[in-house]
Formats: sequence, C-alpha cells, structure tokens
Amino acid sequence: AQSVTQLGSHVSVSEGALVLLRCNYSSSVPPYLFWYVQYPNQGLQLLLKYTSAATLVKGINGFEAEFKKSETSFHLTKPSAHMSDAAEYFCAVSKDTGRRALTFGSGTRLQVQP
Amino acid sequence: KAGVTQTPRYLIKTRGQQVTLSCSPISGHRSVSWYQQTPGQGLQFLFEYFSETQRNKGNFPGRFSGRQFSNSRSEMNVSTLELGDSALYLCASSLNTRASGGDEQFFGPGTRLTVL
Repeated sequence: AQSVTQLGSHVSVSEGALVLLRCNYSSSVPPYLFWYVQYPNQGLQLLLKYTSAATLVKGINGFEAEFKKSETSFHLTKPSAHMSDAAEYFCAVSKDTGRRALTFGSGTRLQVQP
Repeated sequence: KAGVTQTPRYLIKTRGQQVTLSCSPISGHRSVSWYQQTPGQGLQFLFEYFSETQRNKGNFPGRFSGRQFSNSRSEMNVSTLELGDSALYLCASSLNTRASGGDEQFFGPGTRLTVL
C-alpha cells in the first residue's frame, strides 16, 4: 500500500524567506507524486507533479520539488515566500496501475509573517 | 473553458436523511473522481468513474455510492446520513482517455455537507 507523510502540520516563515515543506512517500512501485495547494473555502489546485521525466520539477507560482528516490522524498520549496502563499499544501501519490486514485498526506498549513 | 463545478456548494441535512451531490467536469474530461475531506481523516478517495463505469472505489461503506452519466456529469449519493459524514466533498476531473495515475486532476470547489 502506498502512503504519504508530511512532516509538520504547521510551518511559519517570514515574507521573503525560504519555504520548505516536507513530504515522504512509501510506495512499492515508482509512483507519481503531486503537490496541491488549497486556499480557504476552495478546492485543490495543482502546483506540480513528478512523473519520472525529471527529478527536479518546476511548478506554478515559483514552487519546485525534487524527487529523491534514495530518501523516498519529494519536498516542496520556494526561494522567497510571499504573503499570498499562505494556504494549506498537500502532497499526494498515485500509482500507474490504470487508476487515478490519489493518496494524500495530512497537509501542511503555511503561514507567512510580514 | 469553465472549471469543475459542484452543486450545491453548501448543504445541511439531519441524521438518517440521504443526500445527492452533483459534479460537472471540465468539458471533454471523461474521468471523475470524488474525495472526502474532514479535519480528522484528511483527504480520502471515494471512487472514480470513467465512461459511466466505476473504475475504482475507496474504503467507504456501501452508504456511499455514485454514478456517471453519458455526458460525464457525476453524482454521488450518501444514504442514512451520520454525523461523521459532515465533510467537504470534492470532485475532480481528468482529461486523458488512457487510464494513468499521472493524469492531472482538476478539482472543483467542493460541497460542504453538514449533518445535524
């Protein structure tokens, strides 16, 4: 069975500081990995996804993530936080078994301090 | 192009009632998935429909069911509501006809269900 662990349910950074949100996955086969963002009272928006084409994945809004198989990690980073980045972030995994079911982590709420 | 739409956005029901939620995928998308989001359990996969067929189901009781119509619109139904069914129900649609876990899923804003 596949699973996702997000370390830190809350992360607080100052505006302009580095954002690092951690995600570790457990999967018996090479997975597809995703990062989604959710703003209050909204659905999920895809930030980026890893599909084995490249280990460093660039997404929207300046976010990127690096797939590290040896560490089973897919951490999300952004060099400089902006106030508008305050939201909840979810890491998710799925398998290429003909199914689109996503397994989500528990989420990390990002606060950005002025 | 319009995004995924879900109706209603908010719903209040009492225990024992049943409820039907609706999802209209992005035009041209044939796959629709449903997820439940609660503070305690987080985001959990309910089921996926493709070409009017349920292709995958999560670990939920039989009170949770769904269907997909020929125009790809989908509905989910919850019967005999329990307090624990209070949640945000999210619908997501995907474009690719080839079933793939790597397909991007586009999420709707969700339906907030409150069971009293």
